[in-house]
Amino acid sequence: QQQVKQSPQSLIVQKGGISIINCAYENTAFDYFPWYQQFPGKGPALLIAIRPDVSEKKEGRFTISFNKSAKQFSLHIMDSQPGDSATYFCAAPRPGNEKLTFGTGTRLTIIP
Amino acid sequence: GAVVSQHPSWVICKSGTSVKIECRSLDFQATTMFWYRQFPKQSLMLMATSNEGSKATYEQGVEKDKFLINHASLTLSTLTVTSAHPEDSSFYICSAKLPGLLREQYFGPGTRLTVT
Repeated sequence: QQQVKQSPQSLIVQKGGISIINCAYENTAFDYFPWYQQFPGKGPALLIAIRPDVSEKKEGRFTISFNKSAKQFSLHIMDSQPGDSATYFCAAPRPGNEKLTFGTGTRLTIIP
Repeated sequence: GAVVSQHPSWVICKSGTSVKIECRSLDFQATTMFWYRQFPKQSLMLMATSNEGSKATYEQGVEKDKFLINHASLTLSTLTVTSAHPEDSSFYICSAKLPGLLREQYFGPGTRLTVT
């Protein structure tokens, strides 16, 4: 049974600070790890994704770090802004098919 | 690019009736689409995988006779909730996968279903 454990469940960060969300995976296909951002009442939007041939990927203020030996990957949001307040989901592919298993989500709130 | 639309964005129906939700990939062809269900403040739960030209495959515990899926073209998949009951009220979201070996899934804006 594939599992994706995401933490923390909720996170409050001051504007300008760094937001860090973590995911640990088990029994997953080992080729693709995306992060999604979801605003209330909207569908999730693909934020950034990493393939395990690199340990880090950066796009603007968003960075994914990947630790193969620990089976963990994390999302870092630099210079966090109020507009980043949303729920973030990590996901991992299931072995042998195209499906994704999602983490439980992290509700991020950026305060002024 | 990679835009997915859903229609309707919200729907209210009476118990016992059926509701159809459409999912379209607007700027790419999607041989595979997925249907998810999301309850308030919870994660996305995969209901079924829809493949163009073949029968959908359902996740364990999802009633295929209740949630009918049709993937009639490379850009359109539909989900019909049959004989809806209040417990079917939820946020239904589709996603479409880029073709070939690419892994990326792009989500639609979701459909809020309320069954009275």
